[in-house]
Parts: sequence; C-alpha cells; structure tokens
Amino acid sequence: AQSVTQPDIHITVSEGASLELRCNYSYGATPYLFWYVQSPGQGLQLLLKYFSGDTLVQGIKGFEAEFKRSQSSFNLRKPSVHWSDAAEYFCAVGQDSNYQLIWGAGTKLIIKP
Amino acid sequence: DTGVSQDPRHKITKRGQNVTFRCDPISEHNRLYWYRQTLGQGPEFLTYFQNEAQLEKSRLLSDRFSAERPKGSFSTLEIQRTEQGDSAMYLCASSLGTGAVALAYEQYFGPGTRLTVT
Repeated sequence: AQSVTQPDIHITVSEGASLELRCNYSYGATPYLFWYVQSPGQGLQLLLKYFSGDTLVQGIKGFEAEFKRSQSSFNLRKPSVHWSDAAEYFCAVGQDSNYQLIWGAGTKLIIKP
Repeated sequence: DTGVSQDPRHKITKRGQNVTFRCDPISEHNRLYWYRQTLGQGPEFLTYFQNEAQLEKSRLLSDRFSAERPKGSFSTLEIQRTEQGDSAMYLCASSLGTGAVALAYEQYFGPGTRLTVT
C-alpha cells in the first residue's frame, strides 16, 4: 500500500538558519507530490507541488522542494527561516484511484529566536 | 477567488446529539473532499464528490457519518449520535475535476470545523 513517511515529528531551528524537512514515499508509479503548511487552528495551505519535469520546484513563502526518484524523497527546504514559519508541515502524495491524497503524519517546526 | 469556506468553525455538542457541517468550495471546482484530522496526525480521507455524485464513501468512519452535495455546489457532513471519539477537526477541500489529471489532486482546504463532543 502507498504510504508517506515524515521521519521527524518536530524540528527546532534558529531564526535565520536553513531548514530541510524530510519526506519519503512508497508508491510504484510517478507520484504527484505536495507540501502543505498548517498554522495553529488553521486549515492547510498548499506550499508547492511536483507533477513532472524539473525536479526542483519553487513554492510560496520562499520554500522549495526537490524530487529524487532514486531515494523516493521529496524534501522541503528553505535557506533562511523566519519566526512566522513556525507551523506544522505535511507531505502528501496523490494516489491514482479516487484522487485521494495520502498524507504523512506531519513535522512540527519550532523556531528559536 | 474567495477560497473554501466552512461553517461553523467550532462546534461543541453533547454525546448523542447530531451535528451538521457545511462546506462551500471554490466556485469553479467540481470536486469536493471531506477529511478528518486528529491532533498530531495528517488528514484522514472520508469521502469525495464529483459534482453532486458521491464517488467514494467507503472510508466514512461508520454509518453515523453521511455527506451530501445536492446541487453540486456546497456540501454538508452529518454525524449522528455523536461520540466522544468523534472530537476532531473536520476539513473540507476542493479541486478542479476537469483538465489535467494532476489538477484533480491539487486540493485547496478550508479552515476546518473543530468538533468537541462532551
């Protein structure tokens, strides 16, 4: 069965430091890949997506992610985090049937001042 | 683009009562999804509609859960005889149902309805 793993439950980063959040998926075909962000008490906001083509995709708020087929990974990066980036980040994979998204359990990002 | 809206944002109810939540999708989106999210977890898919047709409902958590989208626009999710275990955030999302297949996966979420069952 398809699955998405976010191995880090939470990550603490100093403001201004770089960030990488990990996402690994188990899926046989070419996946559709997404990163969403959820601030406390809020719905999910789409950060970026990968469908095909260039494996490095740019998103909103200065985020980028790189699709690596050989590693079944789609890691999210940001060169310099801001306190406002503190939130929970979810990786999701598009599944063929029913157009469902399969979700990771999320990584909570904590920003140290 | 007014985004996906949900109403109410918060609902507190007593065990055994029925509750109904409403979702208004982005106007040009004809796919609509319901998810449940509990603390510390990713969203859990419940059901989805293409226009007014409910194309997948086997993931609804029990027969106490039902959803409708009578005119292919807004949708309602009803939980009958609520239990404490139903306490969660209920999320609605919408996406385009025509055009590139990939766009059907690109889902836009509402703010959610937080249900507390006492």
